Amino acid sequence: AAGVIQSPRHLIKEKRETATLKCYPIPRHDTVYWYQQGPGQDPQFLISFYEKMQSDKGSIPDRFSAQQFSDYHSELNMSSLELGDSALYFCASSSGENQETQYFGPGTRLLVL
Amino acid sequence: AQSVTQLGSHVSVSEGALVLLRCNYSSSVPPYLFWYVQYPNQGLQLLLKYTSAATLVKGINGFEAEFKKSETSFHLTKPSAHMSDAAEYFCAVSLAAGNKLTFGGGTRVLVKP
Repeated sequence: AAGVIQSPRHLIKEKRETATLKCYPIPRHDTVYWYQQGPGQDPQFLISFYEKMQSDKGSIPDRFSAQQFSDYHSELNMSSLELGDSALYFCASSSGENQETQYFGPGTRLLVL
Repeated sequence: AQSVTQLGSHVSVSEGALVLLRCNYSSSVPPYLFWYVQYPNQGLQLLLKYTSAATLVKGINGFEAEFKKSETSFHLTKPSAHMSDAAEYFCAVSLAAGNKLTFGGGTRVLVKP
């Protein structure tokens, strides 16, 4: 079965640079969620989209923005990167028929130097 | 608001022994509850979920969990541990379908031969 696809899988950036993470949900899934997992920590919710509209917002820094496109893929844009942004970023998706269950992608590991 | 507490950040079990991972939740409404497993350098895989149907939920890889409203618990068990069960396990709660997941701190399971 098709799963959530995230790209890139690994990313190395310098401080103050920008990064764009991409997420391709499972086909026919209309909701996308972004989570951040710091080293040794549990995942923290950042933001979610339903039918291309922002549906909820968590502890996402103002330096970050995200959107969901017409094909339902989503991008997380991160600017003025800081050392503390180094983390594993997960995307998850769910569908209207099974909206309570979120299926996670493999994550993008971001390292800020 | 919702929160999750996982008792024990590390659990060590012998191969063939019972695995018991504890999860207690706090929720203002009847919750949806989940257990996810994370293998090293991988994403989160859904083990099982509770969505107000049967209180005893069976998942993949021989795991099951019981929802106990009176105790606000959703403990995960497996009768006989296998070496491949070594991973980190996260309990999570959401208030409604399509809502964000709030995770517990995770429990790392070590399986001894």
